[in-house]
Amino acid sequence: DIQMTQSPSSVSASVGDRVTITCRASQDISNWLAWYQQRPGKAPKLLIYAASGFQSGVPSRFSGSGSGTDFTLTISSLQPEDFATYYCQQANSFPRTFGQGTKVEIK
Amino acid sequence: EVQLLESGGGLVQPGGSLRLSCAASGFTFSSYAMSWVRQAPGKGLEWVSTISGVYTTNYADSVKGRFTISRDNSKNTLYLQMNSLRAEDTAVYYCAKSITAAGRTFIYWGQGALVTVSS
Repeated sequence: DIQMTQSPSSVSASVGDRVTITCRASQDISNWLAWYQQRPGKAPKLLIYAASGFQSGVPSRFSGSGSGTDFTLTISSLQPEDFATYYCQQANSFPRTFGQGTKVEIK
Repeated sequence: EVQLLESGGGLVQPGGSLRLSCAASGFTFSSYAMSWVRQAPGKGLEWVSTISGVYTTNYADSVKGRFTISRDNSKNTLYLQMNSLRAEDTAVYYCAKSITAAGRTFIYWGQGALVTVSS
């Protein structure tokens, strides 16, 4: 199975800050990586697919990059509604696996 | 508008069975892979199972042999039959639609159905 490791596990940031979350796969997954946002009590929401593909309706402050084993989600200017938990997910092979999550908290 | 509505959750004793349903609307159901993803209380996301549009199935090792995913394309409904339930199966179960027929990425999610396994 492919293991997905996110860092950091949590980050405290202020509105307007630039936030970067990284995700590392235990083996090469090409660009088969997605990022999701989950607010408390809500279902996850797809932000980025195929490592850098923008999902319709997602604000442009979210961007993804990377290929192979190392990937990054960047929020260029944190907004109040962005305080949530973020998950990466490999889509290269079964079983599909998620990272453990990164909680973005208000500083 | 894509809508996914789960039902069938509830409280069940260890060793018991439960069947979840997910009613889909707003897209051509038969053309897309569908999946179940769960989240234990206070924990992260765990993929459970995926079924393609042509009925190919895949399962997480943790549920293989106990859970069965199926779909009725005539009713636009996805199912998850859960047998031999364990306490560690307690979670919110989400139904999710994939971007394509391959089931790689989950573009739309239902609101979730809570399954509690406890005596």
